[in-house]
Amino acid sequence: ETGVTQTPRHLVMGMTNKKSLKCEQHLGHNAMYWYKQSAKKPLELMFVYSLEERVENNSVPSRFSPECPNSSHLFLHLHTLQPEDSALYLCASSQSTTSTDLNEQFFGPGTRLTVL
Amino acid sequence: QKEVEQDPGPLSVPEGAIVSLNCTYSNSAFQYFMWYRQYSRKGPELLMYTYSSGNKEDGRFTAQVDKSSKYISLFIRDSQPSDSATYLCAMKASGGYQKVTFGTGTKLQVIP
Repeated sequence: ETGVTQTPRHLVMGMTNKKSLKCEQHLGHNAMYWYKQSAKKPLELMFVYSLEERVENNSVPSRFSPECPNSSHLFLHLHTLQPEDSALYLCASSQSTTSTDLNEQFFGPGTRLTVL
Repeated sequence: QKEVEQDPGPLSVPEGAIVSLNCTYSNSAFQYFMWYRQYSRKGPELLMYTYSSGNKEDGRFTAQVDKSSKYISLFIRDSQPSDSATYLCAMKASGGYQKVTFGTGTKLQVIP
């Protein structure tokens, strides 16, 4: 595997289900990100982790719970979601969060989530 | 007012046309100006970026930044069907931790 991988690629869940999204990066990066992408809206930054510590939590509802057990893996635990949470959830990684350079983010293919 | 404004399109052009994609922004602290390309069922990938003002060229692609007008552009010359994708502008300030602010993306279709 290379780059940033995400599983599952598609997920359909009911409002009472609990599920988890998984992200893995094979780039040796120290920072990982969760974004939400909805139609006709800009990418919304949800969470940022640097060296397994959360550095940003962008006013995300508590029904989304991130977990970063090590610098290569990132999870997004989902419970009691709403239909408006249906979107593409993208994971990204970068070398760090505090570089003075561009600090390019590399994205995974996303998980298409549908909440019924 | 949104920090970054981008026309979502869709934009449909014939093969070989010159494509112009644009974004405006309001935050004068932005120093890095990026263009990401996102193919269907894929994540965004960085196409090119510019630091501060000026132009940057990479093959058929040219990125321009006009900080005085808070306006950035991406030009695609001799557009190809393989250029069909959504193009997202993105910007961030420099120094320390700075989050990236994205536009909505413009969906481009190049018709053979």
